[in-house]
Amino acid sequence: GEDVEQSLFLSVREGDSSVINCTYTDSSSTYLYWYKQEPGAGLQLLTYIFSNMDMKQDQRLTVLLNKKDKHLSLRIADTQTGDSAIYFCAESTLEAGYALNFGKGTSLLVTP
Amino acid sequence: ETGVTQSPTHLIKTRGQQVTLRCSSQSGHNTVSWYQQALGQGPQFIFQYYREEENGRGNFPPRFSGLQFPNYSSELNVNALELDDSALYLCASSFQEGGLQHFGDGTRLSIL
Repeated sequence: GEDVEQSLFLSVREGDSSVINCTYTDSSSTYLYWYKQEPGAGLQLLTYIFSNMDMKQDQRLTVLLNKKDKHLSLRIADTQTGDSAIYFCAESTLEAGYALNFGKGTSLLVTP
Repeated sequence: ETGVTQSPTHLIKTRGQQVTLRCSSQSGHNTVSWYQQALGQGPQFIFQYYREEENGRGNFPPRFSGLQFPNYSSELNVNALELDDSALYLCASSFQEGGLQHFGDGTRLSIL
């Protein structure tokens, strides 16, 4: 698939907001997703957004989509130490049979 | 807990051997996808099965093959193992093609 790019590392203080960014290149992306992976575990689906939406909020999570710039972000409010993990951005397209195309992940470290 | 279970959790093989990994889908899900996650990378799509037929494949050689059974559980088979096949293999199930994919905890395969 085409490239999904993420910054590799983010460090925040407990209680602050975290913003994880992602850019993608496939303009036909249908859905965009955020997954969380804790050490030694599989992927947990956090949230997703349909490509015709600009924003989605789910408790502490806010997803923003700028389709013109092909930019996706995940904001975590009131970040906790339990939020420390790797966060993956992924896209899917009808053309690819909805197979997920992942970025390399952003490692989030939350310090007390 | 996604309801997707994979076995075994860890496996060690040597070059040239063959391996079979197993996945049990979440109840009600008829689609299974397999992904390979090398260390420090995002997951890469291997293939997808829908109602026992392969209906999508990523950039993996034919020695990666699969099966889906009438109860929608699935197997990933890899022949002629190579050192680069060392990775976490993730299975994801969804209600249908294009549905939200829920992941198991993966099988960690090490090739010596």
